[in-house]
Amino acid sequence: GNSVTQMEGPVTLSEEAFLTINCTYTATGYPSLFWYVQYPGEGLQLLLKATKADDKGSNKGFEATYRKETTSFHLEKGSVQVSDSAVYFCALSSGQGGSEKLVFGKGTKLTVNP
Amino acid sequence: SQTIHQWPATLVQPVGSPLSLECTVEGTSNPNLYWYRQAAGRGLQLLFYSVGIGQISSEVPQNLSASRPQDRQFILSSKKLLLSDSGFYLCAWSVKGGRLGRKLFFGSGTQLSVL
Repeated sequence: GNSVTQMEGPVTLSEEAFLTINCTYTATGYPSLFWYVQYPGEGLQLLLKATKADDKGSNKGFEATYRKETTSFHLEKGSVQVSDSAVYFCALSSGQGGSEKLVFGKGTKLTVNP
Repeated sequence: SQTIHQWPATLVQPVGSPLSLECTVEGTSNPNLYWYRQAAGRGLQLLFYSVGIGQISSEVPQNLSASRPQDRQFILSSKKLLLSDSGFYLCAWSVKGGRLGRKLFFGSGTQLSVL
């Protein structure tokens, strides 16, 4: 079945450091890929997405490129801020006919220190 | 604009007690609705999804059930809670139809502790 594997956390960085959170997937067909973010005490919200191979999703300085050859969708940011501290979830979509079911990774907790 | 409401925010229940979590969506019609659970140290697990009133699909066998009595209302229930039901429960909705890649909109979650 479909699955998502993302790097174990927690990740602790200093402000302005470079961030990479690895994500690889297993899926049949051509899934869409997502990164969701969960800030402390809140629900999840979509950070970025890519719907086909070689697409790059970007938002708030974060980027991820859909790599079909390596089945990866790694999240990157060149310079993190304290406000980026959150839990990040990689996910893929599997669904047809209007049902959009997302399969999530376990999440990676990021803490950015000033 | 669309909004999703989920309550209560936190809940502490004894083992064996019943459960009812409610989720409502405003500003859209005929959405897909979802219940996810985020257990400690684990990822988000899809529990139920619904494509319409009275239509519920269960993703994993468990002690919980879901119902959709109205188009924009999704309820998660249990007759007798187990310790393993503790977790963070998230309701979500998405627009129906079209190509894949549509995003989910999540509620703020309910932290359930079963003691």
